[in-house]
Amino acid sequence: AQSVTQPDIHITVSEGASLELRCNYSYGATPYLFWYVQSPGQGLQLLLKYFSGDTLVQGIKGFEAEFKRSQSSFNLRKPSVHWSDAAEYFCAVGPLGSSSNTGKLIFGQGTTLQVKP
Amino acid sequence: DAMVIQNPRYQVTQFGKPVTLSCSQTLNHNVMYWYQQKSSQAPKLLFHYYDKDFNNEADTPDNFQSRRPNTSFCFLDIRSPGLGDAAMYLCATSRQRGGNTEAFFGQGTRLTVV
Repeated sequence: AQSVTQPDIHITVSEGASLELRCNYSYGATPYLFWYVQSPGQGLQLLLKYFSGDTLVQGIKGFEAEFKRSQSSFNLRKPSVHWSDAAEYFCAVGPLGSSSNTGKLIFGQGTTLQVKP
Repeated sequence: DAMVIQNPRYQVTQFGKPVTLSCSQTLNHNVMYWYQQKSSQAPKLLFHYYDKDFNNEADTPDNFQSRRPNTSFCFLDIRSPGLGDAAMYLCATSRQRGGNTEAFFGQGTRLTVV
């Protein structure tokens, strides 16, 4: 069965430092890939998505992600973190094939980002 | 401008007392979803509507029902809430159902069961 793994449950970085959040997926083919951010008590906001083409994807709020087929990874990066980036980050896949009829997103467990002043 | 609106933001209900959460959208999207997100967990899909066609996930308890009276509105009904149903409930919409379709989420309703 397809799955999404975010190995880091909690990450703390200093403001201004670079950030990388890891995401690995298990799937027979390249799925559609998403990163969402959730601030405390809020819904999910889409940061970026990858469907095909250029493997480096730019998103909102200065985030980018790189798809690496050989590693089944879709890691999220930001060169300089701001205090307002503190939130929970979810990697998700939109499956292919018959499962795509559900439109169901499969989420990783999430990574909580804390930003130190 | 809010595009997916959930009401209320916070709901407290008594154990066993039916409760309804509501979601509305201004995007005119065909698909509306309900996800359940328990504390420190990933969102989990309960069911979705594609237009008027209701699609239940296999492991969604019978205690959870949904209604979509028109394109804009969708309701989540919990017939007899238990303590284990306390969670954030997220409504989302998308234009189509394919895996490459972006989902737009509301801000969620935090349900507390006392």
